[in-house]
Amino acid sequence: DAGVTQSPTHLIKTRGQQVTLRCSPISGHKSVSWYQQVLGQGPQFIFQYYEKEERGRGNFPDRFSARQFPNYSSELNVNALLLGDSALYLCASSLTGDGGYTFGSGTRLTVV
Amino acid sequence: SQQGEEDPQALSIQEGENATMNCSYKTSINNLQWYRQNSGRGLVHLILIRSNEREKHSGRLRVTLDTSKKSSSLLITASRAADTASYFCATDVRGSNYKLTFGKGTLLTVNP
Repeated sequence: DAGVTQSPTHLIKTRGQQVTLRCSPISGHKSVSWYQQVLGQGPQFIFQYYEKEERGRGNFPDRFSARQFPNYSSELNVNALLLGDSALYLCASSLTGDGGYTFGSGTRLTVV
Repeated sequence: SQQGEEDPQALSIQEGENATMNCSYKTSINNLQWYRQNSGRGLVHLILIRSNEREKHSGRLRVTLDTSKKSSSLLITASRAADTASYFCATDVRGSNYKLTFGKGTLLTVNP
């Protein structure tokens, strides 16, 4: 059974550009969460979606948005990129969103 | 603000020794989870302990939870070089809208 898959693996963008990151959860998992991990820090919560509805939002600006599709895959969009958005973006899925999570390998975003 | 704080920040031991990492948190939790991260890639879920549990075991891992002291510990027995990684505690805080709040992690190095 495939784990949580994220694409792309690496990405380089220029300040001011927009980026879309993608995540496919484990089959049968209805919850997808997004985290940002800056080098040397622990992951920080961005969003959680469950059954296509936003169930939680972290302390991130409105430049960050996400959605979940009927097949439970998800996209994270970041507009007007800043240098400080450079980070590892992690997607996690779970069956219900209130237990242990399975994380993908992440997308490393570099903003130059 | 940081909910969970791991201690120590870094730990270096020899193969075969035990490794103990501690985590302190600030507010009431539903559960506390420990994750491992190798070389800045995806996180691997190790163990989840609920607020009404005091101790859990999984293979060479033992986790304790003291809700009165708002602290947890992760013990890895008979460590191996392959255990070298960063270890994070993450709290599922009551009323936090299903987000996990991570600490900064403990970097464990197991020398062969």
